[in-house]
Amino acid sequence: QVQLQESGPGLVKPSETLSLTCTVSGGSVNSNSYYWSWIRQPPGKGLEWIGYIYNSGSTNYNPSLKSRVTMSLDTSKNQLSLKLRSLTAADTAIYYCARVNLLTIFKYWGQGTLVTVSS
Amino acid sequence: QSVLTQPPSVSAAPGQKVTISCSGSNSNIGNNYVSWYQLLPGTAPKLLIYDNDERSSVIPDRFSGSKSGTSATLDITGLQTGDEADYYCATWDSSLSLVVFGGGTKVTVL
Repeated sequence: QVQLQESGPGLVKPSETLSLTCTVSGGSVNSNSYYWSWIRQPPGKGLEWIGYIYNSGSTNYNPSLKSRVTMSLDTSKNQLSLKLRSLTAADTAIYYCARVNLLTIFKYWGQGTLVTVSS
Repeated sequence: QSVLTQPPSVSAAPGQKVTISCSGSNSNIGNNYVSWYQLLPGTAPKLLIYDNDERSSVIPDRFSGSKSGTSATLDITGLQTGDEADYYCATWDSSLSLVVFGGGTKVTVL
């Protein structure tokens, strides 16, 4: 069974960079069959797609976040990571990682990690 | 303001049926597959339906999906207290070049 677990700081200061890691078990991030994605949910709001990364390293980001986002894979650790720069309070959210089939089938998700942006 | 429009909430008594709509446009639902997700606080979101009407593994047949034109629907029959959750539709938007989610619908079992 594929499992994903997000990890990272729960509190980050405005203007700083958020770094999150998602550890995958039961499957390889190096698989040719899937994309890996980050999604977030601000408190009391809906889901927002952040972007994809494929095992080749190619990425596809939400245009509204593209200038601030970097995703990467660490195949030796079977992890994916997210960096989000120039944080504001609007970036406060639960951040999820997910394994994706065929662009929009988010089959497996992590439980999510709450990130609060505050001084 | 979400690209896909869902009702904020629906409710019904145990054993009854609820229907959640997801309305979009030709650039998203009209020309792409829709998937549905169940979110419960503190747990990993769960894929319920993919490719408009295909049920994910281990999802009971009380959950069903359909699509017509630029709208999609999730039906939950035989409603149970464990079905109280937030439900989201999702698809690709070809004009915006991104995955779009609905605003979410809270299901309440009366």
